[in-house]
Amino acid sequence: EAQVTQNPRYLITVTGKKLTVTCSQNMNHEYMSWYRQDPGLGLRQIYYSMNVEVTDKGDVPEGYKVSRKEKRNFPLILESPSPNQTSLYFCASSLGVGRTSSYNEQFFGPGTRLTVL
Amino acid sequence: AQSVTQLGSHVSVSEGALVLLRCNYSSSVPPYLFWYVQYPNQGLQLLLKYTTGATLVKGINGFEAEFKKSETSFHLTKPSAHMSDAAEYFCAVSHAFSGGYNKLIFGAGTRLAVHP
Repeated sequence: EAQVTQNPRYLITVTGKKLTVTCSQNMNHEYMSWYRQDPGLGLRQIYYSMNVEVTDKGDVPEGYKVSRKEKRNFPLILESPSPNQTSLYFCASSLGVGRTSSYNEQFFGPGTRLTVL
Repeated sequence: AQSVTQLGSHVSVSEGALVLLRCNYSSSVPPYLFWYVQYPNQGLQLLLKYTTGATLVKGINGFEAEFKKSETSFHLTKPSAHMSDAAEYFCAVSHAFSGGYNKLIFGAGTRLAVHP
């Protein structure tokens, strides 16, 4: 089954304790992205990657890191989490980058609900 | 800069009634437009998308949306609501930047409640 998976689905942690949220897709997609969802704000992009070893900041990158060593995986790293990073996080992927909408369609993982105390 | 405005953070309808969720966008270039649905405790699922051509777009689960360039709108409709339609709906806009990077800009979302 074609899908984007995230782990863990739920995480409660404390301020300053490094954590990693994993994301994996099995669709051979080039493009991957991380979003956070907060009430009243919709989804905001944290980081994206157009291909292996190519990553760049989105709209809200502060406090986050990513890496793209393999095409299928795009982990999100919080080196020193803070309470304002409590949120619902989504990983997404799409076939590639290009001018046709079919390339723009993004497939989303089930989400990771993170609470930082 | 692109932006998306969804009018009404909460919409409540009766089962069998018309569903209308409003979305307006701003974009300096022709946009690609999307509606996504999020059911409780799940990720986002694509309902429908507008590329070019026909302005009335049909999606899954009986939903459709009409692209109106003059009004910069992409409202989502369904003739008859079902209880299973209760979810949060997100409108999003995108277009191809130079270099091929396509970025999705989301609206704040509209939570649809369907009551018997």
